[in-house]
Amino acid sequence: EVQLLESGGGLVQPGGSLRLSCAASGFTSVSYWMNWVRQAPGKGLEWVANINQDGSQKDYVDSVKGRFAISRDNAKNSVYLQMNSLRVEDTALYYCARLDSVAGTRWYSDLWGRGTLVTVSS
Amino acid sequence: DIQVTQSPSSLSASVGDRVTISCRTSPAVASYLSWYQQRPGGPPKLLIYGATSLQRGVPSTFSGSGFATEFTLTIDSLQPEDFATYYCQQTSSTPWTFGQGTKVEMK
Repeated sequence: EVQLLESGGGLVQPGGSLRLSCAASGFTSVSYWMNWVRQAPGKGLEWVANINQDGSQKDYVDSVKGRFAISRDNAKNSVYLQMNSLRVEDTALYYCARLDSVAGTRWYSDLWGRGTLVTVSS
Repeated sequence: DIQVTQSPSSLSASVGDRVTISCRTSPAVASYLSWYQQRPGGPPKLLIYGATSLQRGVPSTFSGSGFATEFTLTIDSLQPEDFATYYCQQTSSTPWTFGQGTKVEMK
């Protein structure tokens, strides 16, 4: 079965760190860009970061630049989100999603995991 | 950042109704727009990409239209499983931004 499985969420104090993992199965993730999208409790979706197939291209929403780092290990078919200096406003369900495109330009997320919950609170 | 505005924020409809949801971007995003459905407690699901292309496996009751700044998601003959929240997202330039969502509720 083609799926993504996130892990690594939990409760952390403000200023703390967490590393989220996203394991792909049923397909070879090395062929795809990947991204992370988050959803605060009761709120809408917010794109967080993306990464290309070999990890040489990465981009982030401004609110996490300098604090979060996206990476991947293609040998393990996995993508990661290292989150440092966490803030209360980072509390959210974090989804990993596979990216596909039309002609390498019109990007869209065609496969989503079920998410992992990050709670930042003292 | 590109602003994405969805309307309405919620609507009430009945099974069998035709529903339209609008998404407006500023500035224009050509056809770099996709639509997602999110059922309660579940992850988003891709419905439409490239503004008008139906994702495989998605019922043909769903359709997307528009270009540049004005986009529409149409659901013909609403089914019970279609009561959910719908989001548009632009991927013309980062940060990729979502609309605030439209909740489709049962009348």
